[in-house]
Amino acid sequence: RKEVEQDPGPFNVPEGATVAFNCTYSNSASQSFFWYRQDCRKEPKLLMSVYSSGNEDGRFTAQLNRASQYISLLIRDSKLSDSATYLCVVTAGSGNTGKLIFGQGTTLQVKP
Amino acid sequence: DAGVTQSPTHLIKTRGQQVTLRCSPKSGHDTVSWYQQALGQGPQFIFQYYEEEERQRGNFPDRFSGHQFPNYSSELNVNALLLGDSALYLCASSTGANTGELFFGEGSRLTVL
Repeated sequence: RKEVEQDPGPFNVPEGATVAFNCTYSNSASQSFFWYRQDCRKEPKLLMSVYSSGNEDGRFTAQLNRASQYISLLIRDSKLSDSATYLCVVTAGSGNTGKLIFGQGTTLQVKP
Repeated sequence: DAGVTQSPTHLIKTRGQQVTLRCSPKSGHDTVSWYQQALGQGPQFIFQYYEEEERQRGNFPDRFSGHQFPNYSSELNVNALLLGDSALYLCASSTGANTGELFFGEGSRLTVL
């Protein structure tokens, strides 16, 4: 079983749509959680951290359910520029906070 | 403010050869991590360097080794290259206290023939 699992997609949505990505992780000792964004043939960049209380940054909302070991990302009012791969990321566990475990990524294509 | 820089950007090697990849971290960062990203996959952690020492290591064989210099720059060395080593090698820098936010370089794309 992969340590971080994501549906690779692709998710093809029209502009203005709301889209949700999900991710599960296997290590209950993981302490920190993130979503990174990676454009085609570019490096990953931090999109947002994910907190237990949930957090929002503009059109983006992230949620964490520690009991289910489940992370989500919601994008509202999708823009063409949101087309990218979204990587779910968790720390390896207590004492390994420097090691980030990346999921395979979920590809989003926003169409006009 | 220069971000993370990596060199070379692209290179082609043959099986059995050795390769050295280089990374300069973002200004003010003291920690460097290396990741391998195969096509269609997420980055996989190779190792992390802090204070010139390997602090953590992922599930990679000893053919993968590294070094960090006093100016915080780093090298990744891979010996006895295999076809399966073909990938994008990403360097990421951070400060020791904020390991969740990594700043990645554009990567070195290695092709092994």
